Amino acid sequence: DVKVTQSSRYLVKRTGEKVFLECVQDMDHENMFWYRQDPGLGLRLIYFSYDVKMKEKGDIPEGYSVSREKKERFSLILESASTNQTSMYLCASSPWTGGRGTDTQYFGPGTRLTVL
Amino acid sequence: DAKTTQPTSMDCAEGRAANLPCNHSTISGNEYVYWYRQIHSQGPQYIIHGLKNNETNEMASLIITEDRKSSTLILPHATLRDTAVYYCISENRDDKIIFGKGTRLHILP
Repeated sequence: DVKVTQSSRYLVKRTGEKVFLECVQDMDHENMFWYRQDPGLGLRLIYFSYDVKMKEKGDIPEGYSVSREKKERFSLILESASTNQTSMYLCASSPWTGGRGTDTQYFGPGTRLTVL
Repeated sequence: DAKTTQPTSMDCAEGRAANLPCNHSTISGNEYVYWYRQIHSQGPQYIIHGLKNNETNEMASLIITEDRKSSTLILPHATLRDTAVYYCISENRDDKIIFGKGTRLHILP
């Protein structure tokens, strides 16, 4: 079974702190994604990565950065956490489809981040 | 890019078939239809996808109309554990899938 793990299920941080959310997948997938999920807004894509050291902005990248130094690991960084970044953060991975279309994404369990 | 329209919520009796509709009238020829579900406090889970033909797997069946403007996800024998938000997705932007609001399915005992 594909497994996507996230470093924490629950996290509480203070405004201004630097926050790292880690995601690891064990299926050698090329693509990895970070979403946030908020009530009434659904899932919104923050950043994604096609390959090691590559990153692309999603729909809401402001206030976030990412790092992909190894194929299996994709980190989301909140440089200076703010209260409006309180949310559920979901990581996903998928294999490369060669442009044939979106392939199945496998999601981690999520990290519920609260910024006080 | 295709957009999807789903009912906000639906109820289904336990043991009956749950039929979840989805409209994707602007879908283009090379865009797949994907279904995911999200059980409370978990990440989304892939269910099934299709392009033109109907598809079936161990979780569900997917019926796509001939004009591809709509589809129906069928859970043949719904159980309480199928209570979740179901997302229909037909958008393909460079390997990015776009989740809408989904349908909240309540399975009633």
